[in-house]
Amino acid sequence: GNSVTQMEGPVTLSEEAFLTINCTYTATGYPSLFWYVQYPGEGLQLLLKATKADDKGSNKGFEATYRKETTSFHLEKGSVQVSDSAVYFCALSKVFGNEKLTFGTGTRLTIIP
Amino acid sequence: GAGVSQSPSNKVTEKGKDVELRCDPISGHTALYWYRQRLGQGLEFLIYFQGNSAPDKSGLPSDRFSAERTGESVSTLTIQRTQQEDSAVYLCASSRAGGRTYEQYFGPGTRLTVT
Repeated sequence: GNSVTQMEGPVTLSEEAFLTINCTYTATGYPSLFWYVQYPGEGLQLLLKATKADDKGSNKGFEATYRKETTSFHLEKGSVQVSDSAVYFCALSKVFGNEKLTFGTGTRLTIIP
Repeated sequence: GAGVSQSPSNKVTEKGKDVELRCDPISGHTALYWYRQRLGQGLEFLIYFQGNSAPDKSGLPSDRFSAERTGESVSTLTIQRTQQEDSAVYLCASSRAGGRTYEQYFGPGTRLTVT
């Protein structure tokens, strides 16, 4: 079945550091890939997505590239801010018409000033 | 506009009791999903509704779990004879339709604690 494996947390970085959160997936066919973010006290929200191989999703300075050859969708940001502190979830969906999401376990990111 | 709302935000119940969790999707969203998140784990898919089609119940963990949806509006997730392992945050999401590019919008969740 489908599965998503993402980097164990928690991750603690200093402000302006470079961020990478690894995500790999297992799925047949061509899934869509997503990063969701949950800020403290808020609901889960979509950060970025990519729907086909070599697509790059980007938002709020975050980027992730759909790599079919390595089945990966790593999240990166060049310079993190305190406001980026949150839990990040990698997810995939498959099966046109039912976009149920398969999530990774989440990575808690804390940015210290 | 209004987002997905869920009620109650928190629910504490005794083992063996039944509970009902409610989800109000975004108006006009035909697809509705329930997920749960147990402590330290990712979100697990439970059930999917799309319009008048038969729901996809493949994620429901046992026959103690059931869900209904009235048309394209409110959905209720019912857990009968609750067990401690049912303790989790239950999240509802809605989207415009089933399709590869439609974003799912999540509610704030209901935190269920079974004592």
